[in-house]
Amino acid sequence: DQQVKQNSPSLSVQEGRISILNCDYTNSMFDYFLWYKKYPAEGPTFLISISSIKDKNEDGRFTVFLNKSAKHLSLHIVPSQPGDSAVYFCAASVLRGYGGSQGNLIFGKGTKLSVKP
Amino acid sequence: SQTIHQWPATLVQPVGSPLSLECTVEGTSNPNLYWYRQAAGRGLQLLFYSIGIDQISSEVPQNLSASRPQDRQFILSSKKLLLSDSGFYLCAWSVRTEKLFFGSGTQLSVL
Repeated sequence: DQQVKQNSPSLSVQEGRISILNCDYTNSMFDYFLWYKKYPAEGPTFLISISSIKDKNEDGRFTVFLNKSAKHLSLHIVPSQPGDSAVYFCAASVLRGYGGSQGNLIFGKGTKLSVKP
Repeated sequence: SQTIHQWPATLVQPVGSPLSLECTVEGTSNPNLYWYRQAAGRGLQLLFYSIGIDQISSEVPQNLSASRPQDRQFILSSKKLLLSDSGFYLCAWSVRTEKLFFGSGTQLSVL
């Protein structure tokens, strides 16, 4: 059973417009969420995260929104740039106190974003 | 600064052959270490994680094993590869945080 779902395998957006990537989760124990960006033949790189005590976190062109009641989060990229073209993975985990979790992130299958010039 | 090295970048192996993928981390002590796999059309699946030397936890029963002979070294192995072992293997580390830092990955093709 998939605990983290990214239902859109791909998304195509025009340069300068907004990209919205969606992610749903089923485990109500998840309280920390991350987005990773992955280029072909490279490891994923951390993009942005959000704790369940917040509903929004912003970092430059990237904003993550969390709707706990709907168990839904989204990543907004504004404005989108061709260099943003990559696969975006949503991930979730359960915090385990000061020592931190064992990093057992549960990943979605990813959404391939294509930003057209 | 911390860096993670993973090699080789690509590997083509025949079915039934052994496997050894190595990962090392520099610039940090006592990291948590992880092996993930991304199979074609699938997300990132956690295979093994380690919180210390010789402390390995397996998340998914499979044809693979992992070892951590030194604090900053993590090895993924198999005695006999199967076709289903093909995929993109990623090593990652973390320290007291949920944020993982990934290596550049190894594309394994089993033929």
